Amino acid sequence: ILNVEQSPQSLHVQEGDSTNFTCSFPSSNFYALHWYRWETAKSPEALFVMTLNGDEKKKGRISATLNTKEGYSYLYIKGSQPEDSATYLCAFISSGSARQLTFGSGTQLTVLP
Amino acid sequence: EAGVVQSPRYKIIEKKQPVAFWCNPISGHNTLYWYRQNLGQGPELLIRYENEEAVDDSQLPKDRFSAERLKGVDSTLKIQPAELGDSAVYLCASSLSEPGANVLTFGAGSRLTVL
Repeated sequence: ILNVEQSPQSLHVQEGDSTNFTCSFPSSNFYALHWYRWETAKSPEALFVMTLNGDEKKKGRISATLNTKEGYSYLYIKGSQPEDSATYLCAFISSGSARQLTFGSGTQLTVLP
Repeated sequence: EAGVVQSPRYKIIEKKQPVAFWCNPISGHNTLYWYRQNLGQGPELLIRYENEEAVDDSQLPKDRFSAERLKGVDSTLKIQPAELGDSAVYLCASSLSEPGANVLTFGAGSRLTVL
């Protein structure tokens, strides 16, 4: 079982604050990394697919970076809004003939109005 | 286009009873996943299908869990008999092909409570 860790486990911020959280994964056998957002009572939705070291992806106020050599990815939210409240999951995909996708335990973000 | 459809959304049973969950993936998606998510944890893979073949079932508790994906389309996950520790959300997801550049599309989940 691959070790994929996310920190912090939970986070409370005020509306308008910017925030970031971390996903750590094995630095070997990297194939891809996914970020998902999971709002309460809804299905997890994909945010980003990251495949190359140094990748930076952006969607509105949310962006992500990737460092495959040291095994981490950051997710940033600029000017947090209450609708950003959700659990953010990263998923590490290993290379090889049988690619495995392993989720971290998630960061639960609450944005207070 | 319809998303991944799961049923039932909620199920409450007593321990030792059987339970079954059904999933219909997005049309054309060859890969289907069943995950279990316990409170405060990330989704844990139970089984992954490529078409009708189970390619990763290493974490499926085979003494009580079974799954099938006949004809490589919809899938059923069964637990018999259920135990208290099986209370969780069971998520089904699908993707075009094996994980990598293809993201997973999830269903709404089936929340199981075992009393």
